Amino acid sequence: AQTVTQSQPEMSVQEAETVTLSCTYDTSENNYYLFWYKQPPSRQMILVIRQEAYKQQNATENRFSVNFQKAAKSFSLKISDSQLGDTAMYFCAFMNWDMRFGAGTRLTVKP
Amino acid sequence: ETGVTQSPTHLIKTRGQQVTLRCSSQSGHNTVSWYQQALGQGPQFIFQYYREEENGRGNFPPRFSGLQFPNYSSELNVNALELDDSALYLCASSFDGTRVNEQFFGPGTRLTVL
Repeated sequence: AQTVTQSQPEMSVQEAETVTLSCTYDTSENNYYLFWYKQPPSRQMILVIRQEAYKQQNATENRFSVNFQKAAKSFSLKISDSQLGDTAMYFCAFMNWDMRFGAGTRLTVKP
Repeated sequence: ETGVTQSPTHLIKTRGQQVTLRCSSQSGHNTVSWYQQALGQGPQFIFQYYREEENGRGNFPPRFSGLQFPNYSSELNVNALELDDSALYLCASSFDGTRVNEQFFGPGTRLTVL
């Protein structure tokens, strides 16, 4: 069974600095997709970034980038130039057939 | 805003009752997935509907059931409510149900079972 582990329940970062959120997963599949979702206090899950496992190049979306290490089954999220609006729960998710989420990391951006 | 809406926002029920939660998918999306998110945890996949038929199911008992309608709205029904059913229920719509397509989440329904 596929499992997703986020080992950092809470993190904080100063505004304008960089922070990295960790995620590891376990699967025997070769083809799958990985996602980072953001869930602000409003509760609506918002897709931050996604990575196809067959692509070696790390995905980038503006201030958000990932470090995808397929052999190590690691998928970390780097947020550059952190903004106050980045404060939220961040969930790592794995998708082969159904979507499996980690337990989340609560990120607080401090002014 | 993703264009996915859910109703009601909050709901309180007592143990043993039945509940129906509703989701309106984003326009043009023919697939809807439902998730249960317990407090302090990540969402767990309940099931997915594609073109009005169940297209996959997670590890949830049969008292969790669903419907999808031709207009792509959908319902999650839970019978014989238990205290552990208290959670945020999220629906997510996508096009075609394939892994390549992004899921757009609604704001959720907070269910409390007393």
